[in-house]
Amino acid sequence: AQKITQTQPGMFVQEKEAVTLDCTYDTSDPSYGLFWYKQPSSGEMIFLIYQGSYDQQNATEGRYSLNFQKARKSANLVISASQLGDSAMYFCAMRSAFGNEKLTFGTGTRLTIIP
Amino acid sequence: NAGVTQTPKFRILKIGQSMTLQCTQDMNHNYMYWYRQDPGMGLKLIYYSVGAGITDKGEVPNGYNVSRSTTEDFPLRLELAAPSQTSVYFCASSYPEGGSGNTIYFGEGSWLTVV
Repeated sequence: AQKITQTQPGMFVQEKEAVTLDCTYDTSDPSYGLFWYKQPSSGEMIFLIYQGSYDQQNATEGRYSLNFQKARKSANLVISASQLGDSAMYFCAMRSAFGNEKLTFGTGTRLTIIP
Repeated sequence: NAGVTQTPKFRILKIGQSMTLQCTQDMNHNYMYWYRQDPGMGLKLIYYSVGAGITDKGEVPNGYNVSRSTTEDFPLRLELAAPSQTSVYFCASSYPEGGSGNTIYFGEGSWLTVV
């Protein structure tokens, strides 16, 4: 069975600093995808970044990068130069490619950026 | 470009009533999902579908039913509403994992209160 673990319920970070949000996963499937979503207080789910299990390079999208360590089964989100607008809940999620198409979410990390 | 559309956005139900949450996507996605999110919590999968005519249970299917008669629509039916079903409901859609399946699109959410 798939499982996503986010061990940081909340984090406080000074504005303009970089922040790493942890995510570990467990699966026996050989091919899978990892996602990060942002949920601001308004409630919508905003897609941030995707990493495929066979991608050779870590994914990057603007200020977001995914530190993918396949052997350790970790997929940490790095936000560089944090901004006040980054304050939100962040969810890590995983989906397998074959025969187990459930998209499973972690419990989330609430990030607060301090001015 | 509408994306994923959920209706209604807000609804108050009395205990024992039934209702259907509608979800429509215009991106010709195979995969569709229904999640619930309780206050301060992560997303839990209720049901999902990998194509028209195919549905499967997620983590918390009790008290709900779904159907997928077309690619576009994936309605969620609540039978005999209970206070425990007070939650925010999200519908999502995507292509299969891998290839073009690296973005999963969410609707804006439906806030349901059962009193």
